[in-house]
Amino acid sequence: DVKVTQSSRYLVKRTGEKVFLECVQDMDHENMFWYRQDPGLGLRLIYFSYDVKMKEKGDIPEGYSVSREKKERFSLILESASTNQTSMYLCASSGRDRDEQYFGPGTRLTVT
Amino acid sequence: QKEVEQNSGPLSVPEGAIASLNCTYSDRGSQSFFWYRQYSGKSPELIMFIYSNGDKEDGRFTAQLNKASQYVSLLIRDSQPSDSATYLCAVKKDNAGNMLTFGGGTRLMVKP
Repeated sequence: DVKVTQSSRYLVKRTGEKVFLECVQDMDHENMFWYRQDPGLGLRLIYFSYDVKMKEKGDIPEGYSVSREKKERFSLILESASTNQTSMYLCASSGRDRDEQYFGPGTRLTVT
Repeated sequence: QKEVEQNSGPLSVPEGAIASLNCTYSDRGSQSFFWYRQYSGKSPELIMFIYSNGDKEDGRFTAQLNKASQYVSLLIRDSQPSDSATYLCAVKKDNAGNMLTFGGGTRLMVKP
């Protein structure tokens, strides 16, 4: 059974703070993804990683960075949080040569 | 034209009826197709995937794929109030690597 966990379910941060969102998967998956989900805009890909220390920009990478130092862990970093980054953040993973993605529970981030 | 299109709904069906959810996609070379269920405030949960033309059944769920017409559908038989959720269609486009493109989702309401 695939398990993807995220460090927080709810997070409240102030404008300008540096924010770390962490995702861990226990299925030895090669691929990991960060999305944000907003009403009316659907799921949008921020960054993904297909291997340790590898990263690729998604559709909306501005204002975000990522880190993947270990295979099971993929972190999303908001260098200087802004109110327009208030959103639901979802992490997902998939195995090598498999397309189906499995999602973590999500982190609802509010930036005030 | 959106790459993956779904009617946002809500689609309302009575308990016990068949719910039919549809999705069209624009990339003719798309290879893999997925249906996710998302309850309000929760993360998407994979319920079915289909790769080949035709039908694929899993319990009360049937996924149907027609590549010539570029649509994929999900049928839910004997709909239950617990099936009330938003259903997301996701597509792996040709040359997309490990990325999926998500539709905006259809909200299904099953009325007792």
